[in-house]
Amino acid sequence: RKEVEQDPGPFNVPEGATVAFNCTYSNSASQSFFWYRQDCRKEPKLLMSVYSSGNEDGRFTAQLNRASQYISLLIRDSKLSDSATYLCVVNMLGSARQLTFGSGTQLTVLP
Amino acid sequence: NAGVTQTPKFQVLKTGQSMTLQCAQDMNHNSMYWYRQDPGMGLRLIYYSASEGTTDKGEVPNGYNVSRLNKREFSLRLESAAPSQTSVYFCASSEAGDQNTEAFFGQGTRLTVV
Repeated sequence: RKEVEQDPGPFNVPEGATVAFNCTYSNSASQSFFWYRQDCRKEPKLLMSVYSSGNEDGRFTAQLNRASQYISLLIRDSKLSDSATYLCVVNMLGSARQLTFGSGTQLTVLP
Repeated sequence: NAGVTQTPKFQVLKTGQSMTLQCAQDMNHNSMYWYRQDPGMGLRLIYYSASEGTTDKGEVPNGYNVSRLNKREFSLRLESAAPSQTSVYFCASSEAGDQNTEAFFGQGTRLTVV
């Protein structure tokens, strides 16, 4: 079983739609969680950290469910510029490998 | 505002050739990483360096060596390239010791081994 699993998609949604991605992680000792965004043929960049209480940044909301070991990302009012691959990332504190990446979920927002 | 700089951006090698991928960061970060990214596989850690003078294997170290030359620079060497090493390679850096640390990536090196 992969340590961090994501639905690869692709998700094709119209502009203005709400879309949600989920990610599950296998190590219950994992301590910190992130969503990174990767545009086509570019490097990953941090989108937002995910905190236990959940957090929101404009149209983006991230949630963490430790009991079920999953993380979610909700995008409201999708824009064409949201088209990218979204990577779920877990930091297993105490693991010398630090960040572990999911394989990503591809999103295309259609006009 | 350079951040993490990788060279080269593109490279084509013949099987058996060697090459070194260079990476430098100007953010005074302690930790540096080398990842490879293959379709459907996500980013996989090859090697990392928690601090200057230390290096450790990641998930997929076979066929690679690394050198942490100083705090700024972390190079990745392919001694005898194989077609299975065709991939996109990313160097990254982060602060150590903070569990909410953000990793900053270079622009990537697209390597093809023929």
